Amino acid sequence: EVQLVESGGGLVKPGGSLRLSCAASGFSFTNAWMNWVRQVPGKGLEWVGRIKSRTDGGTTDYAAPVKGRFTVSRDDSKNTLYLQMNSLKTEDTAVYYCTTGAVPYGMDVWGQGTPVTVSS
Amino acid sequence: DIQMTQSPSSLSASVGDRVTITCRASQSISSYLNWYQQKPGKAPKLLIYAASSLQSGVPSRFSGSGSGTDFTLTISSLQPEDFATYYCQQSYTTPFTFGPGTKVHIK
Repeated sequence: EVQLVESGGGLVKPGGSLRLSCAASGFSFTNAWMNWVRQVPGKGLEWVGRIKSRTDGGTTDYAAPVKGRFTVSRDDSKNTLYLQMNSLKTEDTAVYYCTTGAVPYGMDVWGQGTPVTVSS
Repeated sequence: DIQMTQSPSSLSASVGDRVTITCRASQSISSYLNWYQQKPGKAPKLLIYAASSLQSGVPSRFSGSGSGTDFTLTISSLQPEDFATYYCQQSYTTPFTFGPGTKVHIK
């Protein structure tokens, strides 16, 4: 079964850090381009960042609101995607989803999401 | 950044109705347009990719069309399980951007 399972969410104070993980199974993670997408409860979807497969360069791209604070990385030996979030702000509060998705095929597999709350 | 708009923002429809949702990009995105369905408390689900390609396992009552800046998602005969929020998303260039969503209500 193709599956993505996020973990690592929780409550953190403004200015703090958190690392999210996304464990992949049932497909070739090594060849997959991966994304993080977030959603404030009751609001729309916001793309956070992407990492290409290592064979396609392994490069990363980020949304402007998180650039310089968040880092997407991957460990292909563990089939795991990460999102390191530093200097967290209250506006980073959201449910964070990891997704597969190489252009032009869309984000075809999604995890269940992990909630992050940034509050003092 | 490419801005995505959707219309309407919400609609009420009955089972069996034909439903059309429109998505517009602020610049040409060729056919790099995807559609997602999201139900409350659940992750989004990919319905259509590359503007008109039906994702595996998605019922054929869903279809997509368009290119350039204007795109359409059509549900040919609305079913009870289709009441949800629908989002378009451009994958032409990063930052990838989503439309604000269209909520489909039961009439």
